This record gives sequence, structure tokens and C-alpha cells, in this order.
Amino acid sequence: GAGVSQSPRYKVAKRGQDVALRCDPISGHVSLFWYQQALGQGPEFLTYFQNEAQLDKSGLPSDRFFAERPEGSVSTLKIQRTQQEDSAVYLCASSSWTGGGLQPQHFGDGTRLSIL
Amino acid sequence: AQTVTQSQPEMSVQEAETVTLSCTYDTSESDYYLFWYKQPPSRQMILVIRQEAYKQQNATENRFSVNFQKAAKSFSLKISDSQLGDAAMYFCAYRNPTQGGSEKLVFGKGTKLTVNP
Repeated sequence: GAGVSQSPRYKVAKRGQDVALRCDPISGHVSLFWYQQALGQGPEFLTYFQNEAQLDKSGLPSDRFFAERPEGSVSTLKIQRTQQEDSAVYLCASSSWTGGGLQPQHFGDGTRLSIL
Repeated sequence: AQTVTQSQPEMSVQEAETVTLSCTYDTSESDYYLFWYKQPPSRQMILVIRQEAYKQQNATENRFSVNFQKAAKSFSLKISDSQLGDAAMYFCAYRNPTQGGSEKLVFGKGTKLTVNP
């Protein structure tokens, strides 16, 4: 597609419910990232995929957070037994190759998650 | 671990004037990459400008330029001829060289820029 697509744009859940957030990266992009952005803060890294391989999950705050990218394209971030502190905007980004360098990450519009 | 500090939570500028947003970072690496991203209220992060640490020349993109001072670990963003559409949150970000490592970005807390007509 033309850009990184995330759905839903807004998600409201009750504490204790499980949620799933979807990211559809730019077609052909090898690298995919998830970030968590609390209100008034900068994004914080959660996890990174290179194709279907999850190479870095050091930013996942607890074992309630789980991400997958089974076919190397669409990714899902799942949060189990949600808690109020999980309320944030979840941003997905993709980039075109793994050599890094100055290759920019392209971001989606994010999913705003509110836990009641 | 690398850290990025943006010491100005908010800045304002008059339309057509120039404004400079500051950013400092901490790293023990000699080569790395620095970025400025803009986030309007719509939330989508948009790349403004980027710089590779080993290049001495400051990057420039139209009205946007950086002042990169490697020894001081400083990477400030200058916006010339400010326009109303420049109003947004601006984030400075750092990335390590990859070579098999994670390509994650480390962001500062951001500076909210207001442009006054």
C-alpha cells in the first residue's frame, strides 16, 4: 500500500480484556517495529521484526505483551489481561531493508488504546 | 544505553521567523544515525531530516537544517521561514549502527512547536 496502515485507530477495552492491534507495513518492507507512546512522551521501542523473525523484543514491558509477524508482512501486537497503564498510542513503523544506515522508518497513524 | 534529551518542552515562533530546537544524546558509539521527526495532531510521525555521524557536513532539507556537533553530542534543528504548517511535536531520535543489531530508534520526549501568525 501507499503507507503503513494500522487498525483499529481507536480501541477501548475494559481492564482484564485481551486486545489485538494490527499493522500492515508498506509492501516489500523487510523491517517492522512497534513503539508505545504515552501521552506527552516520545515513542518507546517495544519490538522489531526482520521478515518473520522477531530479532529484538527487549522493549516489551511484560509477558502480557506478545507480537507476531508469521508471514513476514502483517504484524499483530497482542496485549493480554490489559491494565490501565497499557493505555497509550501504539505506533507501527516499517523500513525497506535491514542494512540500516539512513534508511528511515515510515510510521502509521497509530492505535490509541484506552483501558477503562 | 543510549539516551536522547530534548530540554525544551515547548517553543513558539512567529510566522516567517527562524527557530532552533535543541537535542543532545549520549552514546559510546563512534558511528550512528540521528533523525528529526515531526508529529502533527494527526499522530503520524513524518521524517524531517537525517544525519549520519561520520559525515561532517550538516544536513539540509529545504527550510530545515541541522547543527551537528559530534564532540558535544548535540543535534539541533533549525527551521527557517516558519510556516503555520510547521506547528507540531518534534522528536529527535538516535539509532545505533546495525551490523546485525536492532535498528530501533531511541526518541527524546519531544518539543511542542507553536507557530504564531
